[in-house]
Amino acid sequence: GAGVSQSPRYKVAKRGQDVALRCDPISGHVSLFWYQQALGQGPEFLTYFQNEAQLDKSGLPSDRFFAERPEGSVSTLKIQRTQQEDSAVYLCASSLSAGGLTGELFFGEGSRLTVL
Amino acid sequence: EDQVTQSPEALRLQEGESSSLNCSYTVSGLRGLFWYRQDPGKGPEFLFTLYSAGEEKEKERLKATLTKKESFLHITAPKPEDSATYLCAVRGSGGYQKVTFGIGTKLQVIP
Repeated sequence: GAGVSQSPRYKVAKRGQDVALRCDPISGHVSLFWYQQALGQGPEFLTYFQNEAQLDKSGLPSDRFFAERPEGSVSTLKIQRTQQEDSAVYLCASSLSAGGLTGELFFGEGSRLTVL
Repeated sequence: EDQVTQSPEALRLQEGESSSLNCSYTVSGLRGLFWYRQDPGKGPEFLFTLYSAGEEKEKERLKATLTKKESFLHITAPKPEDSATYLCAVRGSGGYQKVTFGIGTKLQVIP
């Protein structure tokens, strides 16, 4: 597609429920990132994929968070047993290149998660 | 660990009143400093990438500059449609592709 697509745009979950957030990156983009953005804050890095390999997951806040990109294209961020502090906008971004002086990230519009 | 500090947190300008936004950074081996614009309810939109001190880039009323410790986003004769949050981010040589963001400067341009 023309841009990064995320779904759902809005998700309301009861505390303890599991959620799955989907990201369709720009076609051909090697790199894919997940960020978490709390209200009034900048995006915080969660994890990075190069093709299907998850090379950096240092930003995942707990083992309740899991991300995958099995075929090197679409990615899913899963949050198990959601807590209120998980409420945030989850942004997906993709980038064409994977090394050296690499270019910019292209972001989707985000998935806003509200945990009640 | 890479760090980005932006100031001011919020800025209110009259239409046509030029100003600058500041981004201070510490990074191990800069591999790119990025400026993004974010409108409410939207994802960040890419504006500029700067790679080395002394580099400058321009787009319409915006001009980004870079030193070894700071970047500035200069806004000349702003219009109400320039109202948005402007995010600064850096990529360092440590780790893989991680890009670290500041909290942003929320700009409001009053007609």
